[in-house]
Amino acid sequence: DGGITQSPKYLFRKEGQNVTLSCEQNLNHDAMYWYRQDPGQGLRLIYYSQIVNDFQKGDIAEGYSVSREKKESFPLTVTSAQKNPTAFYLCASKSHEARETQYFGPGTRLLVL
Amino acid sequence: LAKTTQPISMDSYEGQEVNITCSHNNIATNDYITWYQQFPSQGPRFIIQGYKTKVTNEVASLFIPADRKSSTLSLPRVSLSDTAVYYCLVGTISNFGNEKLTFGTGTRLTIIP
Repeated sequence: DGGITQSPKYLFRKEGQNVTLSCEQNLNHDAMYWYRQDPGQGLRLIYYSQIVNDFQKGDIAEGYSVSREKKESFPLTVTSAQKNPTAFYLCASKSHEARETQYFGPGTRLLVL
Repeated sequence: LAKTTQPISMDSYEGQEVNITCSHNNIATNDYITWYQQFPSQGPRFIIQGYKTKVTNEVASLFIPADRKSSTLSLPRVSLSDTAVYYCLVGTISNFGNEKLTFGTGTRLTIIP
């Protein structure tokens, strides 16, 4: 059963704590993306990775870090430097085939205690 | 990326055809038009994509006039399950995964029984 999985569904962070959100895909997609969505807003790009061991900053990368050690996995760490981390985080992946679109995971909702 | 403008919200009755128009006056020659659907607390889901004229699939049609400065998503015979936010995106589809999708606030479609 192919798809993108994100875990956990809900995550709580204490002040000053780093947390890592998981994103895994078994679609054999080369590119992966992380977006943030605030209530009533569209998605904003945090980081993206075109190939393994390579990634680029998106529009709102400050306070976040990523790694891409495996093609299937693209974890996102929300660091203590991100002062307003409460949001809905969405991971997506895409094939390098022409005109393929991005496929999204179910999302992780991060809440600050 | 071309900026898009959509109505903030729309209401429609079950069984009606719904047309959501998106303006993208600055669309570039290589840009495609893509529509996504998002339910609350879920990731966006691809609906349809087109470059010019008309595209139809099993769930929707996309009408694009010759000047490509706007597009209309048409949902035939909507049901309550079509209540969602619909995003219009315009951008170059990359073969290398480096395109950046820009999501606006979308159109919140509410279907009334």
